[in-house]
Amino acid sequence: GENVEQHPSTLSVQEGDSAVIKCTYSDSASNYFPWYKQELGKRPQLIIDIRSNVGEKKDQRIAVTLNKTAKHFSLHITETQPEDSAVYFCAASRAGTALIFGKGTTLSVSS
Amino acid sequence: EAQVTQNPRYLITVTGKKLTVTCSQNMNHEYMSWYRQDPGLGLRQIYYSMNVEVTDKGDVPEGYKVSRKEKRNFPLILESPSPNQTSLYFCASSFGASGGYEQYFGPGTRLTVT
Repeated sequence: GENVEQHPSTLSVQEGDSAVIKCTYSDSASNYFPWYKQELGKRPQLIIDIRSNVGEKKDQRIAVTLNKTAKHFSLHITETQPEDSAVYFCAASRAGTALIFGKGTTLSVSS
Repeated sequence: EAQVTQNPRYLITVTGKKLTVTCSQNMNHEYMSWYRQDPGLGLRQIYYSMNVEVTDKGDVPEGYKVSRKEKRNFPLILESPSPNQTSLYFCASSFGASGGYEQYFGPGTRLTVT
């Protein structure tokens, strides 16, 4: 089955810096790669996703890149703000299967 | 309002006392799943369902049961809870009949088994 590895487990940046979180997956047939943000005490919520027919997707300050050959995808957050502080989860799935999550990255943005 | 609801939100119980955590969605979603969240271990899937009467084991199904008799409901049953099932539980649902769509999470149920 699918296995998703996520790094780093914790990440501390200064406000205004960029943050990058990386994930690798094992199943070459996986074709859907979402990222979820979980603020303290709240439920996870989707912030961006990408499908395997696209190499990069951007939404304002966040972007996701996908390298199918290397089987890894990354979340990029530019101009970080204190409200970006949260736990971020990557995930992967292929058609007809469950969504498998990475273990999460705790991002701390200090002002 | 489109939402996923879970009840109860908090529960403290004793070892061996059967309990059920309910999950309901009003979005006519095909796919529903249960996760447990523990520090350092992320979101681990317990069971998922791609449609009514169709359920499959996730990564950590031991000690749990589920049923999907109606499209909107997906209860999680702990027949004989043990302390290692103390955790934060999330139910989620999505439109498609697989994990390849946005998951809408419920508010979570914090379970403590003593």
